[in-house]
Amino acid sequence: AQSVTQPDIHITVSEGASLELRCNYSYGATPYLFWYVQSPGQGLQLLLKYFSGDTLVQGIKGFEAEFKRSQSSFNLRKPSVHWSDAAEYFCAVGTTNFGNEKLTFGTGTRLTIIP
Amino acid sequence: EPEVTQTPSHQVTQMGQEVILRCVPISNHLYFYWYRQILGQKVEFLVSFYNNEISEKSEIFDDQFSVERPDGSNFTLKIRSTKLEDSAMYFCASRRRLNTEAFFGQGTRLTVV
Repeated sequence: AQSVTQPDIHITVSEGASLELRCNYSYGATPYLFWYVQSPGQGLQLLLKYFSGDTLVQGIKGFEAEFKRSQSSFNLRKPSVHWSDAAEYFCAVGTTNFGNEKLTFGTGTRLTIIP
Repeated sequence: EPEVTQTPSHQVTQMGQEVILRCVPISNHLYFYWYRQILGQKVEFLVSFYNNEISEKSEIFDDQFSVERPDGSNFTLKIRSTKLEDSAMYFCASRRRLNTEAFFGQGTRLTVV
């Protein structure tokens, strides 16, 4: 069965510093990979997605992620974080079963930004 | 920009009562989903719905749960007899077709007391 691991439960970063959030997945076929962000009291907003092609994908709010098949990873990066980036970040893998797709989420990484 | 809308944003109900969570997916989307997130835990898949029928459901989605698309625009999740452990944030999502991203609503926080 598919699974997603986000090894960092909580990360604290200074404003303006770079950020990398780790995500590892387990899935037998080629995965569809996603990063979602959830601000307090808000829903899930898609940051970026990987379906195929270029393994470095750009998303909204200056985020990017790199798919590395050999490492089964899809880490999220941002060169310089802003205070507004404080939120919970979820990595997810999309899996297809008989033509249906569903998302399997990781446990999330809570990002705190300090001035 | 089109969005998935969920109502209510927060619902408190007594154990054993029936609740209906409502969602209005994006209008040209064909695939609909419910997920839930128990406080402090990961987001979990409950059920997917396509062509007016359930296409897949998780182990969580037992006989107490049902989904319906009654009028071509709303997509509802009914919990027949709520239990304390049903307390969670419930997210509705929709997608236009396979191999595209799912758009999520803001969620309904269900509290069972």
